[in-house]
Amino acid sequence: GAGVSQTPSNKVTEKGKYVELRCDPISGHTALYWYRQSLGQGPEFLIYFQGTGAADDSGLPNDRFFAVRPEGSVSTLKIQRTERGDSAVYLCASSQGAPPDTQYFGPGTRLTVL
Amino acid sequence: AQSVTQLDSQVPVFEEAPVELRCNYSSSVSVYLFWYVQYPNQGLQLLLKYLSGSTLVKGINGFEAEFNKSQTSFHLRKPSVHISDTAEYFCAVSRNTGGFKTIFGAGTRLFVKA
Repeated sequence: GAGVSQTPSNKVTEKGKYVELRCDPISGHTALYWYRQSLGQGPEFLIYFQGTGAADDSGLPNDRFFAVRPEGSVSTLKIQRTERGDSAVYLCASSQGAPPDTQYFGPGTRLTVL
Repeated sequence: AQSVTQLDSQVPVFEEAPVELRCNYSSSVSVYLFWYVQYPNQGLQLLLKYLSGSTLVKGINGFEAEFNKSQTSFHLRKPSVHISDTAEYFCAVSRNTGGFKTIFGAGTRLFVKA
């Protein structure tokens, strides 16, 4: 079956611009996670959705970052006024429920802020 | 809060030799523990997880890990590695009640040499 997909696979933008990153979870998975992975580091938790609501957004670094999941399936991570430090691979994962349900990861979106 | 320390950033090993990748965690509450693998140019996938019960957990591809509560460790082992095991391995933890956040270690790069 189809896994988690993320678009675009690569995004290059200029400092100060707005970007949107999309995640399509596995069909039927109610839980969705966003992570950020910098070079040489493990994934860093950003936000967790259960259905349409953000059950835990404690990992969002500041108010420039926002994520939505309006219909409980596709999610969009939005970053305003991008900074060079936002450059990283943004990972999405979905699962049937909260931990310890297995998370299935997408291939990631590599964001480069020039 | 939880944290994860992977004690080795890189582990080179010859094919068919045994390997141990070390992971220590810190938490004031009971946790679930996970090992994920990231093969070159692929997304993260779950190797194994500890939820409760037997402290020895077996996973895919011949890997196993042992939960040691007194030493707060969850080391990953394989008795005989293959070239195809070359990958990045991540240890992760999440609290087992009321938690959604999964905390990952920085990763250990396993390099299997012929």
